[in-house]
Amino acid sequence: RKEVEQDPGPFNVPEGATVAFNCTYSNSASQSFFWYRQDCRKEPKLLMSVYSSGNEDGRFTAQLNRASQYISLLIRDSKLSDSATYLCVVNKPGDTGRRALTFGSGTRLQVQP
Amino acid sequence: GAVVSQHPSWVICKSGTSVKIECRSLDFQATTMFWYRQFPKQSLMLMATSNEGSKATYEQGVEKDKFLINHASLTLSTLTVTSAHPEDSSFYICSYSRGGQETQYFGPGTRLLVL
Repeated sequence: RKEVEQDPGPFNVPEGATVAFNCTYSNSASQSFFWYRQDCRKEPKLLMSVYSSGNEDGRFTAQLNRASQYISLLIRDSKLSDSATYLCVVNKPGDTGRRALTFGSGTRLQVQP
Repeated sequence: GAVVSQHPSWVICKSGTSVKIECRSLDFQATTMFWYRQFPKQSLMLMATSNEGSKATYEQGVEKDKFLINHASLTLSTLTVTSAHPEDSSFYICSYSRGGQETQYFGPGTRLLVL
């Protein structure tokens, strides 16, 4: 079983649509959770951290369910510029202070005009 | 602005040659840097953790004698792919985090193609 699993997509949605991505992680000891965005042939960039209480940043809302080991990302009012691959990321439990990350394989989003 | 640089951004080499990739933190002294690798349509996979002044820690399945890591200063880590083969063709990315912060800063990546 992969440590972080995501639906690879692609998700093809029209502009203005709401789209949701889901992710599950296998290691219950994980403590930090993130969504990253990766454009084609570029490095990943942090979109937002994810907290148990849920958090929102503009059109983006992230949720974490520790009991189910499930993470979600909701994008409202999709823009063409949102087209990218969205990576679900958790920290690698282990040494204190270690900041290495485990990445999901990503969900590709294509927003169409 | 960019806080991590990588050089070169892309490289094409013949099979059997060695390739060195540099990762520099531009505004921060990093005691720990991470090296990841990403094959096409796959996730980033951690290869090793680079520790300034000590040996790197390699992930399971990553050959330490093939992927040499040197972190001789707080602003520079290098990854050398020795005797590169076509299956080493990949996107290599370094990253580091600042102190106790969770945010990681990624370099722009180095695309390696081994012919």
